[in-house]
Amino acid sequence: AQTVTQSQPEMSVQEAETVTLSCTYDTSESDYYLFWYKQPPSRQMILVIRQEAYKQQNATENRFSVNFQKAAKSFSLKISDSQLGDAAMYFCAYRVNDMRFGAGTRLTVKP
Amino acid sequence: SQTIHQWPATLVQPVGSPLSLECTVEGTSNPNLYWYRQAAGRGLQLLFYSVGIGQISSEVPQNLSASRPQDRQFILSSKKLLLSDSGFYLCAWSVNPGQGGTEAFFGQGTRLTVV
Repeated sequence: AQTVTQSQPEMSVQEAETVTLSCTYDTSESDYYLFWYKQPPSRQMILVIRQEAYKQQNATENRFSVNFQKAAKSFSLKISDSQLGDAAMYFCAYRVNDMRFGAGTRLTVKP
Repeated sequence: SQTIHQWPATLVQPVGSPLSLECTVEGTSNPNLYWYRQAAGRGLQLLFYSVGIGQISSEVPQNLSASRPQDRQFILSSKKLLLSDSGFYLCAWSVNPGQGGTEAFFGQGTRLTVV
């Protein structure tokens, strides 16, 4: 079974600084999709960024970028110029058919 | 545009009572449908996944069940709730990967408290 591991239960970053959230996954598939979702206190799940495994180029969405290392099965999220509104739970997810999530990382942004 | 509706938003039920949570999707056909549970401060646990009417896979053997009576309707049920069923339940939909879909779209969630 596919598993997704987020080894950082909590992370903290100073406003305007950069933070990296880690994610590893276990799979025997070669084609799959990876995602980072944000869950603010409202608990609404918001897609932050996605990566197709067949693409070697790392995905970027404004201040959010990923470091996708397929051989190492690693998929980290970098948030640049952190803002107070970035404070939330962040979930890494993996999909071939259904979608599996990691345990999440709670990000705190200090003013 | 596609939308997903999940209700109720909050529910308090006594132990041993039945449960029915409903989720509907608009604006798309033959979606993949999901039910997840999130314990307090924890990740999302996949409970049920459906690729079509009558096609439901269960990830966690427990006293919960799911049904898909219509293409865009997904129902989570229990005959007798346990205290351990308390949590935040999320419904989601996605396009089949073979049709070019990737991400899942989530409902607002249901906070269930079993007392």
